[in-house]
Amino acid sequence: GEDVEQSLFLSVREGDSSVINCTYTDSSSTYLYWYKQEPGAGLQLLTYIFSNMDMKQDQRLTVLLNKKDKHLSLRIADTQTGDSAIYFCAEKGGMDSSYKLIFGSGTRLLVRP
Amino acid sequence: DGGITQSPKYLFRKEGQNVTLSCEQNLNHDAMYWYRQDPGQGLRLIYYSQIVNDFQKGDIAEGYSVSREKKESFPLTVTSAQKNPTAFYLCASSMPTSGRAYEQYFGPGTRLTVT
Repeated sequence: GEDVEQSLFLSVREGDSSVINCTYTDSSSTYLYWYKQEPGAGLQLLTYIFSNMDMKQDQRLTVLLNKKDKHLSLRIADTQTGDSAIYFCAEKGGMDSSYKLIFGSGTRLLVRP
Repeated sequence: DGGITQSPKYLFRKEGQNVTLSCEQNLNHDAMYWYRQDPGQGLRLIYYSQIVNDFQKGDIAEGYSVSREKKESFPLTVTSAQKNPTAFYLCASSMPTSGRAYEQYFGPGTRLTVT
């Protein structure tokens, strides 16, 4: 079945860029998403990218999609302590007629002052 | 203010009791979802509903039940048959129509502790 994988942990210094990576297995994915979860809270949609795009930029966030390698990344420029959270990658399969998303297990980002 | 509400935020129950978690949305979304999140883990889909009066099992439906009698509401019952019910429960909704990206919007979650 479809699978989405992420590294578990990333630590960066405040002001540096963060790059969070994700790989997925479903070559027919139509949309890919990045969500942010702060402690004890729900998930907040950060951005998404359609599978026919290779890049999307939204203020400090840049999403890169390499469809050939099934690799998605989220770059956060000028990372702040408020960016410390868990980041989830998710995908919407193209062959699945339901509305389900498949989520990765999340990457915990720690921003050091 | 449009959004998804889940209540209560914290819930404590004794083992062997059924408990119902509330999820309400005023986004006019057709689809609603329940996920379970365990510490340090990702989201696992319990049940989802794409339209009123219809719902499907997700990956871990055993020990749970749902209903979808109204578009706005999708309550989840954790039954005594659920072996390890202590977890963080997240409700989400989406409006999967043409031209949209199937993105899901999440409520703030309910932390259930069963002792």
